[in-house]
Amino acid sequence: DGGITQSPKYLFRKEGQNVTLSCEQNLNHDAMYWYRQDPGQGLRLIYYSQIVNDFQKGDIAEGYSVSREKKESFPLTVTSAQKNPTAFYLCASTPGGGNQPQHFGDGTRLSIL
Amino acid sequence: EDQVTQSPEALRLQEGESSSLNCSYTVSGLRGLFWYRQDPGKGPEFLFTLYSAGEEKEKERLKATLTKKESFLHITAPKPEDSATYLCAVPVVGGRRALTFGSGTRLQVQP
Repeated sequence: DGGITQSPKYLFRKEGQNVTLSCEQNLNHDAMYWYRQDPGQGLRLIYYSQIVNDFQKGDIAEGYSVSREKKESFPLTVTSAQKNPTAFYLCASTPGGGNQPQHFGDGTRLSIL
Repeated sequence: EDQVTQSPEALRLQEGESSSLNCSYTVSGLRGLFWYRQDPGKGPEFLFTLYSAGEEKEKERLKATLTKKESFLHITAPKPEDSATYLCAVPVVGGRRALTFGSGTRLQVQP
């Protein structure tokens, strides 16, 4: 079955540590996105990529970094510069058009040790 | 700035008690509105796309409608399994091909 796989499901970060969240899709979609979701809030865009080797900052990119070396993969690194990283992180993809619905993975919950 | 506002924040219904969720938006040149369902600890699941005022979409007990300023998600005779958070989203206007999401309505249906 085609879909988006995020791993791990739960992740813990120590002070000063960088952690990387994985997102893989086998939908052959061009565009991929990372969102952050805090309790009681909507999704906020961190980074997005419309094509391999290209990505753009979203609304809350500070303290995060991404890469897009392969069409299927869009990993997100939460750096030590992100002072409040505890949240639910969601990866999404879409064939390419901005007015098409996005398909989501099941998220990674990141907590601070 | 594009804005999406959902109301109410939370809604508790008895099984079989119909109601509606609201999503109002301030976007110039709407290019679609999306409804999603999100269960706890899961990613949003796509439900509907609406592109023009007057359009309606249905799926089981859910019906989504769209006007020029807002969208409604009508839930008819809900069951406990309809309990979830319902999110609406609109495409961002401009070069960024992403969505702006509302903060959602948490629906609880009691047996």
